This record gives sequence, C-alpha cells and structure tokens, in this order.
Amino acid sequence: DSGVTQTPKHLITATGQRVTLRCSPRSGDLSVYWYQQSLDQGLQFLIQYYNGEERAKGNILERFSAQQFPDLHSELNLSSLELGDSALYFCASSVGEGFNSPLHFGNGTRLTVT
Amino acid sequence: QKEVEQDPGPLSVPEGAIVSLNCTYSNSAFQYFMWYRQYSRKGPELLMYTYSSGNKEDGRFTAQVDKSSKYISLFIRDSQPSDSATYLCAMSPNTGFQKLVFGTGTRLLVSP
Repeated sequence: DSGVTQTPKHLITATGQRVTLRCSPRSGDLSVYWYQQSLDQGLQFLIQYYNGEERAKGNILERFSAQQFPDLHSELNLSSLELGDSALYFCASSVGEGFNSPLHFGNGTRLTVT
Repeated sequence: QKEVEQDPGPLSVPEGAIVSLNCTYSNSAFQYFMWYRQYSRKGPELLMYTYSSGNKEDGRFTAQVDKSSKYISLFIRDSQPSDSATYLCAMSPNTGFQKLVFGTGTRLLVSP
C-alpha cells in the first residue's frame, strides 16, 4: 500500500457532466501530482501542486482544473465531459517538489463517460 | 511519433528466465530514467531510477541506460510468477521526478 488514497475507485457519468476526483497524499508528502492513463496514450502528466501552489503543468485540458487544499489533499475537477475523457486518473505524492523525491502512486479512479 | 516508445507485449517467459524489457526515446534532453511496475488494478510502483548513462543493480533487477543510442533496459534475473505485471519506463530532462514522460508499458507474464 503506497499510502496515497484516491476516491472514488470508479465513476460512471454521462457526457457533458462534471465530476470531482479526490486524493489524499501520504502522510508528510507536500507534493501532489495528477496523471491520466489511457490505453493508447499511457500515463500522461497533468499537473503538480506543492504545498498548495501549482508547480508544474502538463497537457491538462482547459476543461480540467485542480487544487490542493491547506490540509494537502487535492481535487481534480473534470467538466463538460467527453467520451474521450474515459480513463484511469492517478494521483501521486512525494515529499519534496519532485526533483529528488520519488513519486508514490495511488490506485487510481476509473472514469467511464457514457 | 511518441517521445518514448515501448513494446506493449505481452512477453511470456517461463519461471527462472532472464527477462529484458526495453524503451527507446527521442528527446536527447532526458537525464533521469525510471522503471515502474504496475499490477492489475493498482497504481505504478517505482522499481529503480538512474541518472544519465550507466548501470544500476538492485537484487534481481538491473537497469541500463545508453544515452548514445537513446535506449534503456530493465533486466530481471530468475523471474518469478509474482513478477507478472506491466512494466513502465519513465524519463524526464533536468526535472527529476517532475513532469515524467512514460512509455505505454510492456505486459510481462511469467508462467510457473
């Protein structure tokens, strides 16, 4: 068990809807990362927060947003959902800002958009 | 063309075999190279990471980086059925574990 908790495990919703994915990092970890995993693209980096501040951004769509709260948990908001957004969404955490701090991944949230 | 290419497999081997898993990449700026193992319905788990070229050994696992060929490998000695998983390579430029670029993974099946 990595110590990173993601909820919910599964989410089924319709196109056009909005969902929120939640992540609790390992105790003591200040950085949270969000990744999207699809069959054809593999794991794609979306965004990183460190102690509440955005630190790095990847190929995150404008319809997606994230934040990290004072208690260090993070939420990823996905809106105007499309069929192509169906994927596994992983959260990872690390102690530092990421340079020398290995990532520890949660078990993901499987999103199905119908 | 993807920045990181990895054969999806599956790669099927008998127990005890030596396994070789490989990735090629196109971005010469990559300096950090990692291997993750992902079991079904689980998140990726870091196995090993190396900086720049060379070899690194950890138990039954050896990671090799050849920057001149833009080619990295993971060798597993005395493979076990518990090694059956998807193996993902990942890499980044000078940003360490930030903004990792992952391969799509190779599925390994080790039969008893």
